[in-house]
Amino acid sequence: KAGVTQTPRYLIKTRGQQVTLSCSPISGHRSVSWYQQTPGQGLQFLFEYFSETQRNKGNFPGRFSGRQFSNSRSEMNVSTLELGDSALYLCASSLRGTQGHEQFFGPGTRLTVL
Amino acid sequence: KNEVEQSPQNLTAQEGEFITINCSYSVGISALHWLQQHPGGGIVSLFMLSSGKKKHGRLIATINIQEKHSSLHITASHPRDSAVYICAVKPYGGSQGNLIFGKGTKLSVKP
Repeated sequence: KAGVTQTPRYLIKTRGQQVTLSCSPISGHRSVSWYQQTPGQGLQFLFEYFSETQRNKGNFPGRFSGRQFSNSRSEMNVSTLELGDSALYLCASSLRGTQGHEQFFGPGTRLTVL
Repeated sequence: KNEVEQSPQNLTAQEGEFITINCSYSVGISALHWLQQHPGGGIVSLFMLSSGKKKHGRLIATINIQEKHSSLHITASHPRDSAVYICAVKPYGGSQGNLIFGKGTKLSVKP
């Protein structure tokens, strides 16, 4: 079974631009969560999608948004990029997104904002 | 004060040593995860616990819900165990992905 995949793996953007990151979960997994990792703040929860619906959102500004498609693939979008958005963005999938289900992480997308 | 605290922040060990990493949390939780992150960023889920103890190979994870504390033990450590180990908790009422993370413990095992 293929693992969680994320594209692109590396991205360089400039301030003010927008970016879209993609996550394909493990086949059969319906829950996808997104996380931001920075040296200063560590890992922080962005949002979670289950069956195309956002179930939870972390404490991030509205510039961060996401969606999930009917095949469970998910995208996250960051508009009007700021220098502080430079981070490793990780997604994770789980079977149903309910208690007791392990999360499987993708390799991440490293975003650099210049 | 962070809701999830790990200690130590950095740990250097000699190959073969027994290693313990601690995690304390201040919120009510329904599950606790131990994660391993290697240089380059990839994260592997080691354990998900809600009570008691789990063992996988040389790794053992324990949790004491009443004391709000968990430990990750590595027996007979090896240089390939060098990584950052992250504790994450799922608060009561939160969905599966809504995790609060510790800052991580950077482990270096010398041959």
